Amino acid sequence: AQSVTQLGSHVSVSEGALVLLRCNYSSSVPPYLFWYVQYPNQGLQLLLKYTSAATLVKGINGFEAEFKKSETSFHLTKPSAHMSDAAEYFCAVGSSASKIIFGSGTRLSIRP
Amino acid sequence: NAGVTQTPKFQVLKTGQSMTLQCAQDMNHEYMSWYRQDPGMGLRLIHYSVGAGITDQGEVPNGYNVSRSTTEDFPLRLLSAAPSQTSVYFCASSYTPGGPGTEAFFGQGTRLTVV
Repeated sequence: AQSVTQLGSHVSVSEGALVLLRCNYSSSVPPYLFWYVQYPNQGLQLLLKYTSAATLVKGINGFEAEFKKSETSFHLTKPSAHMSDAAEYFCAVGSSASKIIFGSGTRLSIRP
Repeated sequence: NAGVTQTPKFQVLKTGQSMTLQCAQDMNHEYMSWYRQDPGMGLRLIHYSVGAGITDQGEVPNGYNVSRSTTEDFPLRLLSAAPSQTSVYFCASSYTPGGPGTEAFFGQGTRLTVV
């Protein structure tokens, strides 16, 4: 069975600091991995996805994630946090039936 | 392009009442699904459909019914609401033939409170 684990339910960083949100996956087949973002009182929108074309994936709003098979990780990073990045972030894995399995989410807070 | 539209946005029900959460998409996506979001638990799949007339259960289907008579619509029915069904519900759609790497498009959510 496929699953993802997000490490840290809440991450707080200062504006301008590095953002690092951690995600580890479990999959017996090459995984399809996603990061989604949810702004307050809104639905989820796709930040980026990994589909085996490249291990470093660039997404919207300056975010990127690196797929590391040896570490079974797909951590999300952004070099410099903005106040507008405050949101909840979900790591997810796509299953063979086009179902998406989500992690428990990480709430990102930005300190002025 | 409206994308995925959910109605209502907010709803309060009394225990035992029934209701239907509506979901419509205008992207001609075959695959549609319903999730519930609870604090600390991420999104959990309730039911999904891979096309008109075809539905299946997800991770937490008990207490919910679905049907898919058209490609566009995928309503979720609560037969007898319970406080444990207090949650935020999201409908999503995706282009099924795209395989497991296909992104899902989400509605804005329905916040349901059962008292």
